[in-house]
Amino acid sequence: AQSVSQHNHHVILSEAASLELGCNYSYGGTVNLFWYVQYPGQHLQLLLKYFSGDPLVKGIKGFEAEFIKSKFSFNLRKPSVQWSDTAEYFCAVKTSYDKVIFGPGTSLSVIP
Amino acid sequence: GAVVSQHPSWVICKSGTSVKIECRSLDFQATTMFWYRQFPKQSLMLMATSNEGSKATYEQGVEKDKFLINHASLTLSTLTVTSAHPEDSSFYICSARWRGAGETQYFGPGTRLLVL
Repeated sequence: AQSVSQHNHHVILSEAASLELGCNYSYGGTVNLFWYVQYPGQHLQLLLKYFSGDPLVKGIKGFEAEFIKSKFSFNLRKPSVQWSDTAEYFCAVKTSYDKVIFGPGTSLSVIP
Repeated sequence: GAVVSQHPSWVICKSGTSVKIECRSLDFQATTMFWYRQFPKQSLMLMATSNEGSKATYEQGVEKDKFLINHASLTLSTLTVTSAHPEDSSFYICSARWRGAGETQYFGPGTRLLVL
């Protein structure tokens, strides 16, 4: 069965630290990849997505992610986090079965 | 653009009653809508996929007679939790997409249901 895993359940960083959140999926076919963010008390918002082309994709608010097909990974990065980046981050994968499968989420806390 | 709303935002009901949750795409026509359930500190679990004008496709383990989904128009889908019980208490989230958006889904704010 297809699944999505995220490496960390909870990450705590100081402001200006660099961020990398890991995401791996299990599916051998063509995938579309997403990172969503859920700020406290708000609904899910799309950070970035990968459909095809350049495996390094840039999203909103300075986030980027790299698709490494051989590793079945789609890690999210940001060079310098801010307090306002405190949120829950979800990696999601859409397979050819037209289902979007979400990872368990990573809670990011940024300390001022 | 691409705004999805849900109503109500939260609801408390007695066990045995039915609850209807609405999901609306405000500024686009949603060819497909999705219903998710999110438990505390957990990820979203897809319950069903609905295409306008056709029956919803339910995920394995989701009772279609208990969670009735109707997608009567391109801007509205409803989820009715019939004969709700305390174990149905959860956060229900809908999302919508249209053909022009490719595979991107836009999410509603969610509805918190508490069954007493």
